[in-house]
Amino acid sequence: GAGVSQSPSNKVTEKGKDVELRCDPISGHTALYWYRQSLGQGLEFLIYFQGNSAPDKSGLPSDRFSAERTGGSVSTLTIQRTQQEDSAVYLCASSDTIPSYEQYFGPGTRLTVT
Amino acid sequence: AQSVTQPDIHITVSEGASLELRCNYSYGATPYLFWYVQSPGQGLQLLLKYFSGDTLVQGIKGFEAEFKRSQSSFNLRKPSVHWSDAAEYFCADASNAGGTSYGKLTFGQGTILTVHP
Repeated sequence: GAGVSQSPSNKVTEKGKDVELRCDPISGHTALYWYRQSLGQGLEFLIYFQGNSAPDKSGLPSDRFSAERTGGSVSTLTIQRTQQEDSAVYLCASSDTIPSYEQYFGPGTRLTVT
Repeated sequence: AQSVTQPDIHITVSEGASLELRCNYSYGATPYLFWYVQSPGQGLQLLLKYFSGDTLVQGIKGFEAEFKRSQSSFNLRKPSVHWSDAAEYFCADASNAGGTSYGKLTFGQGTILTVHP
């Protein structure tokens, strides 16, 4: 079946602009995670959704970052007033178990802030 | 907070040689440990996981890993490496110091594997 998909695959934006990154999890997966992969920081957890609720937002680096999930499915990660340090690959993962110990990752969105 | 250490940033082996990638975790309770592989431009693929029970776990693509509590290690091994194994490998831990574990992963810094023909 279809895996986790993310769009766009690449995004180049100017400093100060807002961006939206989309994640389509595997159908029926109730848990959804966002991670960020950057050269300096490696792979970092950002936020976790169970259904449409986000019990753990502890990894969001600043209040410029927000995320939502609708219909227990699609999730959008929004970065406002982008900065160069936001340049990274943003990965989404989903899981059908609670706790979610087997996560399926999407290919990621590479964000470049110029 | 838990941490995961992969001491080797880059490892080079010859095709057909054996492989061991090191991983150490910091959390004292029973960890939930994983190995993922990432090929260039690709997402992460789960190779294997350890939750409890037999300390030697088998994964996909001929990989195995051994959990050693006394050494706080979870090293990944493969008896004979293929050129297609060249990728970056990440060790991860989903344990939690307290409260509900949501399964969020703490990753090591990754080990890049180069395979020489």
